[in-house]
Amino acid sequence: QSALTQPASVSGSPGQSITISCTGTSSDVGGYNFVSWYQQHPGKAPKIMIYEVSIRPSGVSDRFSGSKSGNTASLTISGLQAEDEADYYCISYTSRSTVIFGGGTKVTVL
Amino acid sequence: QVQLLESGGGVVQSGGSLRLSCAASGFTFSTYGMNWVRQAPGKGLQWVAFIQHNGNNIYFADFVKGRLTISRDNSQNTLFLQMNSLTAEDTAIYYCAKDSSGGWLTPKGTFDYWGQGTLVTVSS
Repeated sequence: QSALTQPASVSGSPGQSITISCTGTSSDVGGYNFVSWYQQHPGKAPKIMIYEVSIRPSGVSDRFSGSKSGNTASLTISGLQAEDEADYYCISYTSRSTVIFGGGTKVTVL
Repeated sequence: QVQLLESGGGVVQSGGSLRLSCAASGFTFSTYGMNWVRQAPGKGLQWVAFIQHNGNNIYFADFVKGRLTISRDNSQNTLFLQMNSLTAEDTAIYYCAKDSSGGWLTPKGTFDYWGQGTLVTVSS
């Protein structure tokens, strides 16, 4: 099964908003509300930022929000800050009772 | 606080075997599903395997092809990954990751805690 499709890179200036897309199929993203997003800084373990499409865990900034339309999930970072520069990965439950990650998106703060 | 500590990584020759461990603390290990996720050098995250809280349900990614075994010892609060017939493509940091909710029968991709990872290098 192929990885979910994410843009390789997204960039924005401090204070701007950016959106990262995560495109799958009706057998994964489109079929279930188990889509999560992870942030990973270099050399560090991933950190969950959004789960079940749009739920933000305790302690995660409200600048991060998630949504889904059809087979595409999205992560929006508003009020972009230097500390948001990292790699971001989506993951979805699939019809085969497995989960699959996206290829990852490098976010650069200009 | 929740801690996950992987061990067992190292350098192994192609075709060899390795057993990874993940020692858990700070939560009731026996009530949560656990996962292994790997990351090849400079590459993205790849989910590897899931084991239900009681060990009854196990799921693997397609690429595993019977080469890996996931298990757990709830009496020792430890998760394991037995890896056989290793190839260079298995070279990666292997993370253990805890499900955020207990009792799930299948992986959901919602991992609230991760270990620091253990590096496996397969040399040809």
